[in-house]
Amino acid sequence: GAVVSQHPSRVICKSGTSVKIECRSLDFQATTMFWYRQFPKQSLMLMATSNEGSKATYEQGVEKDKFLINHASLTLSTLTVTSAHPEDSSFYICSATTRQGPGTGELFFGEGSRLTVL
Amino acid sequence: QQPVQSPQAVILREGEDAVINCSSSKALYSVHWYRQKHGEAPVFLMILLKGGEQKGHEKISASFNEKKQQSSLYLTASQLSYSGTYFCGTDGSGNTGKLIFGQGTTLQVKP
Repeated sequence: GAVVSQHPSRVICKSGTSVKIECRSLDFQATTMFWYRQFPKQSLMLMATSNEGSKATYEQGVEKDKFLINHASLTLSTLTVTSAHPEDSSFYICSATTRQGPGTGELFFGEGSRLTVL
Repeated sequence: QQPVQSPQAVILREGEDAVINCSSSKALYSVHWYRQKHGEAPVFLMILLKGGEQKGHEKISASFNEKKQQSSLYLTASQLSYSGTYFCGTDGSGNTGKLIFGQGTTLQVKP
């Protein structure tokens, strides 16, 4: 299957700093990528839909100024957590689909990035 | 809206069967099933696109009743490797490609 790579896998930062997480599709072009957030023992909560060459679409309740998403190319999307605070500590996972056009194809997930804000 | 999964947790012995259900309050375009091991990313199991469709993946199969807005995942003759948390993801739009995941069902298979 298609491969999605996420980096870094773990990051620890001080409160108030910004952290960037990269999501790359290694062997396919992803016009759309999705960013999820998962707290311990909870489900994956969709944060935003990242579209190549355009602004991300954020889910209700997600602060777009805090979680900056950039989809600069067909193989790379980045999530920047700005001015991180301890409550932002979580497991962030990106996903991408190989399907072109409308409809939902199989989602391929990155390995996830565990953020710990001290 | 988030689909509802049941049961929340299941404990099995190797070789036993299990059924995990996923219900939505809105019409569904497709249902996806994933398994996640602790500390890892979810792994794709299968997609069901049509009402009444059934699919199989080794000893894991699923059904999708479009009218009832429900899907069920069937695990037969469970193996230790089946342990993990199972999520259903639903797509109610058919256009955006984004999934809303259920709260998960934790499956533990014991020897």
